[in-house]
Amino acid sequence: QVQLVESGGGVVQPWRSLRLSCAVSGFTFSDYAMHWVRQAPGKGLEWVAVIWSDGINKYYADSVKGRFTISRDNSKNTLYLQMNSLRAGDTAVYYCAREMRGDSSGPVFDDWGQGTLVTVSA
Amino acid sequence: DIQMTQSPSTLSASVGDRVTITCRASQSIVTWLAWYQQKPGKAPKLLIYKASSLESGVPSRFSGSGSGTEFTLTISSLQPDDFATYYCQQYNTFWTFGQGTKVEIK
Repeated sequence: QVQLVESGGGVVQPWRSLRLSCAVSGFTFSDYAMHWVRQAPGKGLEWVAVIWSDGINKYYADSVKGRFTISRDNSKNTLYLQMNSLRAGDTAVYYCAREMRGDSSGPVFDDWGQGTLVTVSA
Repeated sequence: DIQMTQSPSTLSASVGDRVTITCRASQSIVTWLAWYQQKPGKAPKLLIYKASSLESGVPSRFSGSGSGTEFTLTISSLQPDDFATYYCQQYNTFWTFGQGTKVEIK
């Protein structure tokens, strides 16, 4: 079955960096666009970034543009999020999510990982 | 940016009740709208996409409707497993979520 497993979260000081990983299985990773979505403690969901299946096209939320980089290694079935210049406001659970395939459905998220918590604190 | 506004923020209901949650977009998103259910400590789960299409495996008591800027999620007969927070999401232009609606036990 489809599995997405995030890792790499933890406590980090402001202005430092952290890299999150999302290892996937149960589907052909290279066929799917992938996203990162975050959720601050007790708050709602915020889309962070997307990377297309070929790894070339990438888009970011304004709140992370210039600081975060999404990437993927299709040979390792793994999605990454490199987070630089971290701020307290980046504290959240970070989820990776798979984008549903098919023109009729549109780019909606049909499978999610369990999330990894990133805490930015001095 | 497209803003999504859900109402109510909290809804108190009993098992068996018919429940309706509304989501409004700041501009037309045609029918590029999804609904997710999230339980505490868990990842969101897709319920509805393209405003009214039921995701595979989701009970038929869930339904969605609407187009343009106004959308609704309806649970026809609330079950104990349905107490959760529900989010709408537009995917017409990038992706934006509503602030969530918590459905709690009355």
